[in-house]
Amino acid sequence: AQTVTQSQPEMSVQEAETVTLSCTYDTSESNYYLFWYKQPPSRQMILVIRQEAYKQQNATENRFSVNFQKAAKSFSLKISDSQLGDTAMYFCAFMKQGTDKLIFGTGTRLQVFP
Amino acid sequence: NAGVMQNPRHLVRRRGQEARLRCSPMKGHSHVYWYRQLPEEGLKFMVYLQKENIIDESGMPKERFSAEFPKEGPSILRIQQVVRGDSAAYFCASSPPRTGANVLTFGAGSRLTVL
Repeated sequence: AQTVTQSQPEMSVQEAETVTLSCTYDTSESNYYLFWYKQPPSRQMILVIRQEAYKQQNATENRFSVNFQKAAKSFSLKISDSQLGDTAMYFCAFMKQGTDKLIFGTGTRLQVFP
Repeated sequence: NAGVMQNPRHLVRRRGQEARLRCSPMKGHSHVYWYRQLPEEGLKFMVYLQKENIIDESGMPKERFSAEFPKEGPSILRIQQVVRGDSAAYFCASSPPRTGANVLTFGAGSRLTVL
């Protein structure tokens, strides 16, 4: 069975600074997908970024980028130039290829302060 | 495109009552997933449905919980004889017909409170 671990329950960062959220996972699969979702106070789950395991290049989406280390089974999220609107819970998730079932970590609460 | 619509947003039930949560997937999406989020936890998979079929219910409690996705109308998650431990946010997500590597689109969730 796959598991996703987020070891940082809470993080804080000052506006305009950079922060990195950690995620590790455990799987015996070789083909899979990894995701970061954001859940602001509204509780809406919003996709931040997606990575295919077969791609060596790290995914980027504007201020959001990942550091994907397949051998280490690590998938961290870097948020550059943090904004107040980035304040939210961030969930790392795993999806086995051939399915659409997401397995989530327990989340990291990020607070961006002025 | 209205996205994934869930209702009600908030539902309060007393112990022993029934709760029904509805989910209308995005237009063009034929796969529906239900997830449960307990307080201060991540989302846990419950069930995956396609029209008129339950594909994977491995995360669904064996008793009191059921789900359906009829040919017409929304998907329904039904909880009979609710208990306090059922208090949670229930999220629905949908994806297009092709299976695998899809990005799930989530609804805003339904928060169930059991008194």
